[in-house]
Amino acid sequence: GAVVSQHPSWVICKSGTSVKIECRSLDFQATTMFWYRQFPKQSLMLMATSNEGSKATYEQGVEKDKFLINHASLTLSTLTVTSAHPEDSSFYICSAIPAGQGARYGYTFGSGTRLTVV
Amino acid sequence: AQSVAQPEDQVNVAEGNPLTVKCTYSVSGNPYLFWYVQYPNRGLQFLLKYITGDNLVKGSYGFEAEFNKSQTSFHLKKPSALVSDSALYFCAVSRDSGGYQKVTFGTGTKLQVIP
Repeated sequence: GAVVSQHPSWVICKSGTSVKIECRSLDFQATTMFWYRQFPKQSLMLMATSNEGSKATYEQGVEKDKFLINHASLTLSTLTVTSAHPEDSSFYICSAIPAGQGARYGYTFGSGTRLTVV
Repeated sequence: AQSVAQPEDQVNVAEGNPLTVKCTYSVSGNPYLFWYVQYPNRGLQFLLKYITGDNLVKGSYGFEAEFNKSQTSFHLKKPSALVSDSALYFCAVSRDSGGYQKVTFGTGTKLQVIP
């Protein structure tokens, strides 16, 4: 079945530094990937939709200059948290659907990245 | 706009008893409905989905869900709960409009199966 790999699983960084999170589709091509953020005991909030070869589409209220998304290939999307601050500490999860398939096929999720900014 | 409601933050059930995790939704057009499970510090794992066809959908690990259009519900059920079923469960909705569409998640329900 479709597998999405997310790396790293957890990261601790100092305030003011940048962190890059990778999301890879291992056995399928994904023209579209999604980035979510999850606060403790809360649901997943869609941050942005990552489109291969074009700019990401950000949800309202998400700072695109702070959360940089690059979808340079059909199997890789990256989320870079720039100038991270403690309030950016959260659980970030990516998901993807195989190219050419719609929402009816469901989404495959990565295992998530726990970001802690100190 | 589409939305999902999971009215229970937590459900406790004794091992071996049947379990139900509730979900209601709101969406224009035909809904796509999903259930996912999340274990601590892990991503979401797909359990089952309703796209069309039979209202009773069977999924992974013995779970099933019933689509009820009139009540706009998609409750998750399992005849006999296991301690290993303890996790966070998310209901999600999307819609049929061609191509991919955003998926909206509920707030999650923590299932606690008591030995």
